[in-house]
Amino acid sequence: QVQLVQSGTEVQKPGASVKVSCKASGYTFTNYYIHWVRQAPGQGLEWMGIINASAGSTSYAQTFQGRLTLTRDTSARTVYMELNSLRSDDTAVYYCARDRSDAFDMWGQGTKVTVSS
Amino acid sequence: SYVLTQAPSVSVAPGQTASIPCGGNRIGRKSVHWYQQKEGQAPVLVVYKDSARPSGIPERFSGSKSGNTATLTISRVEAGDEADYFCQVWDSRSDHAWVFGGGTKLTVL
Repeated sequence: QVQLVQSGTEVQKPGASVKVSCKASGYTFTNYYIHWVRQAPGQGLEWMGIINASAGSTSYAQTFQGRLTLTRDTSARTVYMELNSLRSDDTAVYYCARDRSDAFDMWGQGTKVTVSS
Repeated sequence: SYVLTQAPSVSVAPGQTASIPCGGNRIGRKSVHWYQQKEGQAPVLVVYKDSARPSGIPERFSGSKSGNTATLTISRVEAGDEADYFCQVWDSRSDHAWVFGGGTKLTVL
């Protein structure tokens, strides 16, 4: 079945970087785009960026320009999200999600990232 | 940036119908998608392209639009429907091109 499986919980210090992985299975990896969405504690959903799993091209929300990098490894069927210069307000659950006609039709289980000194 | 407005909460008794509105300027021109998020879980797509249901989603879930409002309707509400519901559209002119509403907490009384 279609699945997106993310890497585990992260605890980082302010100013550090975090890299979260999202491994896809059950479908043709290069036929879809993958998004990243985050959710701060008790808050709503915030779109961060998108990557074309085939071409590797990306688009980022302006909020994250310069701090966010999305990459993919087609042989590993995995997408990576790296966020730099972490701040306390980056504490959130980070989700990868597959794009289908501009909707998010499949989500990873989420990765909790805590930024604390 | 494009804004989607949702009421913070809606309450309904079991067996009744829940209507969850989502307001946005000229939302009639956009495809609206809806997600259900239960406590501690990832969101799940329940309606896409305004009114289509993904495989596995009960027919009790339906979507519609009128004027500047899209609505998710849940018929014959069950205790297991208690969750947060988010609407979402794509807007190429927004900073966050994939835009979410703030979410509505559905409480089953």
